[in-house]
Amino acid sequence: DIQMTQSPASLSASVGETVTITCRASENIYSYLAWYQQKQGKSPQLLVYNAKTLAEGVPSRFSGSGSGTQFSLKINSLQPEDFGSYYCQHHYGTPYTFGGGTKLEI
Amino acid sequence: EVQLQQSGAELVKPGASVKLSCTASGFNIKDTYMHWVKQRPEQGLEWIGRIDPANGNTKYDPKFQGKATITADTSSNTAYLQLSSLTSEDTAVYYCTRWLLWYFDVWGAGTTVTVSS
Repeated sequence: DIQMTQSPASLSASVGETVTITCRASENIYSYLAWYQQKQGKSPQLLVYNAKTLAEGVPSRFSGSGSGTQFSLKINSLQPEDFGSYYCQHHYGTPYTFGGGTKLEI
Repeated sequence: EVQLQQSGAELVKPGASVKLSCTASGFNIKDTYMHWVKQRPEQGLEWIGRIDPANGNTKYDPKFQGKATITADTSSNTAYLQLSSLTSEDTAVYYCTRWLLWYFDVWGAGTTVTVSS
């Protein structure tokens, strides 16, 4: 099974800063990767799919990059509403493993 | 509007089983794959498995094999997750979600399962 290693596990940043979250796959998953944001007590919401395609309605300050085994999610000019947890998830065959998550505190 | 309506919270005793439901509206579950995801308190997301409602074919993460059973009833447009031999490790929120080619695009609100005597 493919393992997804996400870092950092937690992150504290200020409004206006730029942060980057990384996700590493244990084997080549090409671009079969999505990023989700989850607010406390809510269901996850899609941010990025196919590694770098922004989901509809997601602000352009979010961007995804990478392919193969190394991926990243970058958030430019952090806004207060960006706090929450972020998860990467691959879909290169089952099981569709999630990364361990990154908790972003603003 | 595309929605997934999940059943209410469950309080179950250790060793018991529970069956959660996820009813879709605004789309036909036969046209997609339905997945279930587990989230323990203050923990990350774990993919449990998925079903193709058109033919009942299922796939599971190996660690949930024997613990979880996913089924679907296309007549009621509902997917189900049954959990057996419950322990405290099964206390979690369980989400159903729709797979749309490249990603999970619609999620249910989650069902909280608490295992306690």
